[in-house]
Amino acid sequence: ETGVTQSPTHLIKTRGQQVTLRCSSQSGHNTVSWYQQALGQGPQFIFQYYREEENGRGNFPPRFSGLQFPNYSSELNVNALELDDSALYLCASSLGVPGQGTEAFFGQGTRLTVV
Amino acid sequence: AQSVAQPEDQVNVAEGNPLTVKCTYSVSGNPYLFWYVQYPNRGLQFLLKYITGDNLVKGSYGFEAEFNKSQTSFHLKKPSALVSDSALYFCAVRGRPGDSNYQLIWGAGTKLIIKP
Repeated sequence: ETGVTQSPTHLIKTRGQQVTLRCSSQSGHNTVSWYQQALGQGPQFIFQYYREEENGRGNFPPRFSGLQFPNYSSELNVNALELDDSALYLCASSLGVPGQGTEAFFGQGTRLTVV
Repeated sequence: AQSVAQPEDQVNVAEGNPLTVKCTYSVSGNPYLFWYVQYPNRGLQFLLKYITGDNLVKGSYGFEAEFNKSQTSFHLKKPSALVSDSALYFCAVRGRPGDSNYQLIWGAGTKLIIKP
């Protein structure tokens, strides 16, 4: 186990609703990243936070937003859910300045289904 | 556009035989290179990485990977496959500080099936 925990593990929401996913980083890790993994595909980078500030963002619309807290835990918020948002959402934490060669440690993911 | 390619959707290997899972990349600069493994309904687990130095990198569970700069490849290998190695394998790259891209870019994954 990596020490990165995500909640909830599964979630079903209705189109148009809002959802908040949570991530607790591995102890001491100050960088957290969020990824969307559709079925049968590789993860797609959503955004990254370093010391509570957004440090990079992938090609996702503004209705995907996030937060990182002083204890380095994090939230991913998605507004106005669409059917295509159904996916596995992965949180990863790492230690150090973003862009270095440190590996990321992943949580088990949250499976979001939008109906 | 920067990308990572895993040309094989699936690789089938008999237990005890050597395995290779291929990865090539098209990323500017000299990126960091990673391999991760994903078991069903689980998150991604780090296997190994290339930062600098020896082109042959050794990682977890007996896996190793060979970096080839001229071919921009980072193939994952294991001398003797186990049934328990059956999983989904992802190659990922990240730009170095100062590069235009420092995010992890992922391949689409290769399903590895080890048959007894």
